Amino acid sequence: GESVGLHLPTLSVQEGDNSIINCAYSNSASDYFIWYKQESGKGPQFIIDIRSNMDKRQGQRVTVLLNKTVKHLSLQIAATQPGDSAVYFCAEKGGSWGKFQFGAGTQVVVTP
Amino acid sequence: DAGITQSPRHKVTETGTPVTLRCHQTENHRYMYWYRQDPGHGLRLIHYSYGVKDTDKGEVSDGYSVSRSKTEDFLLTLESATSSQTSVYFCATSLQGDALYEQYFGPGTRLTVT
Repeated sequence: GESVGLHLPTLSVQEGDNSIINCAYSNSASDYFIWYKQESGKGPQFIIDIRSNMDKRQGQRVTVLLNKTVKHLSLQIAATQPGDSAVYFCAEKGGSWGKFQFGAGTQVVVTP
Repeated sequence: DAGITQSPRHKVTETGTPVTLRCHQTENHRYMYWYRQDPGHGLRLIHYSYGVKDTDKGEVSDGYSVSRSKTEDFLLTLESATSSQTSVYFCATSLQGDALYEQYFGPGTRLTVT
């Protein structure tokens, strides 16, 4: 399979705890943000998105928070499970249509 | 993977040879993208397409070309492969529409240039 997970910051989380993954974005004009999950050997998978006119959005077990003042995005995963072990990265869209900037990601390791 | 396949999944090639990677989608999505993913870097856009025969360059397009003769297929060609093009390549697609920016990714192709 295909995966790129070398040299990434790692977040170790105990099963059942909440996880918080952070992302600093660069473009103050970015108007749309996505969190992706990438499991080993697979392509990135959409988790949740948020537009710049919102500061919070909730999905199933996940919440994204957007702080435009400090250009910071976070992903909260409730009751982390072993299946949540993966690389998580954020993407911001700014400028012309469809061109996202992707972060390098954070490796989340869930321990029993 | 939203009906996106990539071929080959793995390829080893020699410096200076041409290489073509194929992306095939069954979602009838208008937009298609090629990215590369390298250790310590986020996904970087190589080329994208906004319709049949309509393509444009991304941020790392040098040494790459693309073609899209059918909605479902998007080809990425390395005209003369170099070791710096060793990477994992991902294809992605998205629907047209103001609210529909989500991109669906294929499983990736690991390319090694020796």
